[in-house]
Amino acid sequence: QKEVEQDPGPLSVPEGAIVSLNCTYSNSAFQYFMWYRQYSRKGPELLMYTYSSGNKEDGRFTAQVDKSSKYISLFIRDSQPSDSATYLCAMSYLLMEAMSYLLSAGKSTFGDGTTLTVKP
Amino acid sequence: GAVVSQHPSWVICKSGTSVKIECRSLDFQATTMFWYRQFPKQSLMLMATSNEGSKATYEQGVEKDKFLINHASLTLSTLTVTSAHPEDSSFYICSAREESGGDTGELFFGEGSRLTVL
Repeated sequence: QKEVEQDPGPLSVPEGAIVSLNCTYSNSAFQYFMWYRQYSRKGPELLMYTYSSGNKEDGRFTAQVDKSSKYISLFIRDSQPSDSATYLCAMSYLLMEAMSYLLSAGKSTFGDGTTLTVKP
Repeated sequence: GAVVSQHPSWVICKSGTSVKIECRSLDFQATTMFWYRQFPKQSLMLMATSNEGSKATYEQGVEKDKFLINHASLTLSTLTVTSAHPEDSSFYICSAREESGGDTGELFFGEGSRLTVL
């Protein structure tokens, strides 16, 4: 079983729709949760990151983390054709020692990505 | 945000040759960079952690002699695919973290390098 599970889609929605992207994970030690957007033939770019549980909002994007259910979500409001991309969730450990913290926080475990198409 | 540049973005080579991919942090210093491999429609798989001034740390199953990593400065890491074979054809991506105070792990990714081995 993978540590991080993500429905690969594809997901197709009309412009203006609310999009919900989700990941589940099995390792309760993950504390740091990230969402990346990757356009075709490009590297991923970080959209949002959240530490521990709770919600975080940035413009049209909202990230939610439910550690009790081991479930994270990314919501996109008023979706646009330019949002069409593959969305990757990622999560990592955090250790409190300075050097280990820096190294381990970088070793993220990624989901397989969900391909989203927003139709005009 | 910070910029990570990869070069070349696309390379085709003959089987048996070696290919070097560069990863540069353009406007920040990075003591740690990461190299990933991504097959079509699959997620990023961490290959190795590149540490400035010391040996890279490879993930299980990644051949050290096949994928040579050098992190000679705080802004440059290179990945050399030695004696490339068609099965090495993939999308290789690097990332780096800005080493600023209070940073909590935000990674900046390069644009990726697509390697095709004939």
